[in-house]
Amino acid sequence: KNEVEQSPQNLTAQEGEFITINCSYSVGISALHWLQQHPGGGIVSLFMLSSGKKKHGRLIATINIQEKHSSLHITASHPRDSAVYICAVRLNSDMRFGAGTRLTVKP
Amino acid sequence: GAGVSQSPRYKVAKRGQDVALRCDPISGHVSLFWYQQALGQGPEFLTYFQNEAQLDKSGLPSDRFFAERPEGSVSTLKIQRTQQEDSAVYLCASSLDRVGSPLHFGNGTRLTVT
Repeated sequence: KNEVEQSPQNLTAQEGEFITINCSYSVGISALHWLQQHPGGGIVSLFMLSSGKKKHGRLIATINIQEKHSSLHITASHPRDSAVYICAVRLNSDMRFGAGTRLTVKP
Repeated sequence: GAGVSQSPRYKVAKRGQDVALRCDPISGHVSLFWYQQALGQGPEFLTYFQNEAQLDKSGLPSDRFFAERPEGSVSTLKIQRTQQEDSAVYLCASSLDRVGSPLHFGNGTRLTVT
């Protein structure tokens, strides 16, 4: 059983659309990370959340600790947003990762 | 350096060979993590260092995998007698402290065992 579940697995959108990626987890956590991974590239940390909501540019991340759920939203999506988005939860000495959501934004 | 540096970027090994993968974390970062990412999967935890101490190695898949960080900075992940199932991207990440700090990832080493 995967402790971190992401949905959808794959997502195709048209440029300008509003995107939502969901993450549910089943363990107690100290923080939740949203990560972005481009093909052939490394991983970039987008957000680290322990409560509430954070916004950076067109990206918004929210977390509901009681429901063990987080969402990543992208407003006015652009082809350069195409990447794999990974939800990761921080336990004590390690992290558990979701399988990722592959986002493709078409022009 | 400005970020986490991993080398080599790509490694092809014949089955049975030993390989060593290097991670240079951001200077001053206490925590260092190794992850294994199979194709199409999310990363999976291998091991964690706090300075030179390996505090958690529960994710290492077998005793062929060994990691060290002798001086609390550079870390090496060694895989002995490589097998085809070891083919993956090996990611290193570092952070300032144990919890509450953002993780900074390297670009990974793609290992292919033939």
